[in-house]
Amino acid sequence: ETGVTQSPTHLIKTRGQQVTLRCSSQSGHNTVSWYQQALGQGPQFIFQYYREEENGRGNFPPRFSGLQFPNYSSELNVNALELDDSALYLCASSSVAGDITDTQYFGPGTRLTVL
Amino acid sequence: GEDVEQSLFLSVREGDSSVINCTYTDSSSTYLYWYKQEPGAGLQLLTYIFSNMDMKQDQRLTVLLNKKDKHLSLRIADTQTGDSAIYFCAPLGGYNKLIFGAGTRLAVHP
Repeated sequence: ETGVTQSPTHLIKTRGQQVTLRCSSQSGHNTVSWYQQALGQGPQFIFQYYREEENGRGNFPPRFSGLQFPNYSSELNVNALELDDSALYLCASSSVAGDITDTQYFGPGTRLTVL
Repeated sequence: GEDVEQSLFLSVREGDSSVINCTYTDSSSTYLYWYKQEPGAGLQLLTYIFSNMDMKQDQRLTVLLNKKDKHLSLRIADTQTGDSAIYFCAPLGGYNKLIFGAGTRLAVHP
């Protein structure tokens, strides 16, 4: 158990809808990273949040957005859902201090199905 | 660009050693991680190596790093059925992001 929790566990949406996924980071961690893992593939970096601001973004369109709260928990929002957004969404928490980043610990993921 | 390649499948007999290989392109990676993923689950951190090390041993796990060839390997001694899973090597890239390949599916048979 990493202490990183995600909700919900599973979610089914239809194309065009919007979804919000949540992540609570491990105690003592100040950074949350989000990854998308399509079936049969490795995780792909979406973005990272540090001090409530986006701190790096992968190759994902603007309809993928996020928030980080003062308690370091985070949300991932996806607008205008497409069929290809069906995936396991993983969040990882870590501790960043200056240029030093600690190991990323992953939550169990949220399985999103878009119909 | 940033890319990671691993062989997709590995099958070993219970009790034998498993060696999972990985090649990567980002020579600036300071840390290189190994994660394990069981079906339908998140990623479990196994071990990591700092880029100025050649080898790291952690109980049944041995990590070897050849920085010149950008090659990383994970050896699991005395492989057990509980080791059956997908294994990902993940160098740390820019913006502190982990770079994953497709992973190696390890099947352990009696």
